[in-house]
Formats: sequence, C-alpha cells, structure tokens
Amino acid sequence: EAQVTQNPRYLITVTGKKLTVTCSQNMNHEYMSWYRQDPGLGLRQIYYSMNVEVTDKGDVPEGYKVSRKEKRNFPLILESPSPNQTSLYFCASSLSSWGTYGYTFGSGTRLTVV
Amino acid sequence: QKEVEQDPGPLSVPEGAIVSLNCTYSNSAFQYFMWYRQYSRKGPELLMYTYSSGNKEDGRFTAQVDKSSKYISLFIRDSQPSDSATYLCAMSAREGGATNKLIFGTGTLLAVQP
Repeated sequence: EAQVTQNPRYLITVTGKKLTVTCSQNMNHEYMSWYRQDPGLGLRQIYYSMNVEVTDKGDVPEGYKVSRKEKRNFPLILESPSPNQTSLYFCASSLSSWGTYGYTFGSGTRLTVV
Repeated sequence: QKEVEQDPGPLSVPEGAIVSLNCTYSNSAFQYFMWYRQYSRKGPELLMYTYSSGNKEDGRFTAQVDKSSKYISLFIRDSQPSDSATYLCAMSAREGGATNKLIFGTGTLLAVQP
C-alpha cells in the first residue's frame, strides 16, 4: 500500500529535550515536506526537500532541522523544543513540488511540549 | 492578503443537502487545483484534482474552477454524515523551481447532521 508513515503518533516532552519525528514513504517520491497545523492558521510548511541531500526552509523553519540522506526518509528534528512548538505535524510526499497527482500525507504527530 | 482564502466555517447542514465549499485566490499563475478532505485526527487526503479550468465530477462530488474569477468550488450532493470533515483547497503553479509548491487554504469545517 502506498503510504507515508510517521512516528510517533503522539508525543509529550519537556522543554529543551531533543526529539526526532520520523517520516518514511514507499512511493519513490522525490519531493517531501513537513507541515505544522494549528487552529486558525491552517497548514504551514516547515521544511521541504526536492531530493536526496537537497533541503530548504519553508515558511516557519525556526527551531526545526531536517535531513534527507535517503530518498524514502525525511526526519524532523527539534533540537530544543519549546511550548510554542506544540502542534499537529504532518509529513507529505509527492512526485513534484507543485503537486502532480497531489501530495500524500502521513497520519500526523501530535506533539505537546510542556 | 493571503494567496488563498477559504471561509473557515463551521458549516452545518442536514443530511441530504447540497454543500458548496469555496476558495478564492490571487495568483493568476495557478494551474493545478485540488480539494483535500481531513477527518479528525487524520492527515489530509486528496479528494479531487483539476488541471486548469472547468468542471470535474466524481460520484457525489463536483469540482469547479473559474480562472477568470480566481474562484474554485467543491459541491457535495446528497451529503452524508460521513462527509463531516474539514475540507481544504490547494493550488499551485508550474513555472519550474523549488518555490512552486501547493498552497493550502485554511480549511472549512463541515458537519452533516443526521
């Protein structure tokens, strides 16, 4: 089954404790992206990757890091999480950045930073 | 002004009603238009995909694009309680380069009452 897999689904952590949210896709997509979704603000792009070893900032990159060492994986790293990073996070992948045949989203990771 | 504007709702309708969801946009270069459906605690899933102007029908769902007015619509006929979800419009241009990404509306929350 074609899918984007995110882990964990739920995470509660404390301020300053580094964490990684994993994302993996099995569709051989070149384009991958991370979003956060907050009430009233919609989906905001954090980082994206056009291909292996090619990453760039989205609209709200502060406090986040990413890497793309393999085509299928695109982890999101929070080096020192803060309460304002409490949000619902989604990973997405696609054949192209403009969304040929659309983006495929993961099921989401609900992060709470206390 | 946001590139894509979408009424956040919520929109509450009785079962069997015709639902109309709309988005306006400002970028005349947009060519790819999509509607995503997002159930509570799930990732967005692609519902309808349209290239350029015109109508597209899929079962009870019809997507319309009016590029002259920079306006897109999603119609749901014979709405069902299972249609209760947040509906997000999304659109993009294909002009080459990494900046051509899907731009999402903030979503409209729809509740279909049995």
